Amino acid sequence: GQQLNQSPQSMFIQEGEDVSMNCTSSSIFNTWLWYKQDPGEGPVLLIALYKAGELTSNGRLTAQFGITRKDSFLNISASIPSDVGIYFCAGRDSGGYQKVTFGTGTKLQVIP
Amino acid sequence: EPEVTQTPSHQVTQMGQEVILRCVPISNHLYFYWYRQILGQKVEFLVSFYNNEISEKSEIFDDQFSVERPDGSNFTLKIRSTKLEDSAMYFCASSVGDSGSNEQYFGPGTRLTVT
Repeated sequence: GQQLNQSPQSMFIQEGEDVSMNCTSSSIFNTWLWYKQDPGEGPVLLIALYKAGELTSNGRLTAQFGITRKDSFLNISASIPSDVGIYFCAGRDSGGYQKVTFGTGTKLQVIP
Repeated sequence: EPEVTQTPSHQVTQMGQEVILRCVPISNHLYFYWYRQILGQKVEFLVSFYNNEISEKSEIFDDQFSVERPDGSNFTLKIRSTKLEDSAMYFCASSVGDSGSNEQYFGPGTRLTVT
């Protein structure tokens, strides 16, 4: 099956620092997604990317869809304590009805 | 803002018992999904549902699992005879339609504990 590997697995950063996390896939996706999950909650969509090479921002978050269609990164600028959580990359093949394949997750902890 | 809701938030059941997990998708959404997340692991796709039938399912979704839309608002996941390894968070999701930019919105999850 399709595998999505994220790095790093976890990270501790100081409040105010920028953060970067990556996701690589064993196969091509036509849509890349980034979700955040707080403890005991469901995943919340942060950014969706639909074209190879696309760079999209959502506030302090920026994500890019790799040109090979097999990778993506997420940057968070000027981190704040509420950025704490698990960040999942995810891929989807084509239609919006199709299943989302999730990555292994990056656990982010922000030290005030 | 409309959201997906799920009940119960936590369900404890004995091995071999049947459980039904309930979801109310966002009202104008047409596609419905179930995912599960074993503690500390990634979220895994189980099944997608459209027009009163399953459109896709994973190898996890075996004969012990079934889904149903019993009325115009609820979407349920039934596990017929629970096993210890069914213990996980179960997330319901819904999306408006099938175009490339219609994303899935997730509910808060039901934590299922099988003892």
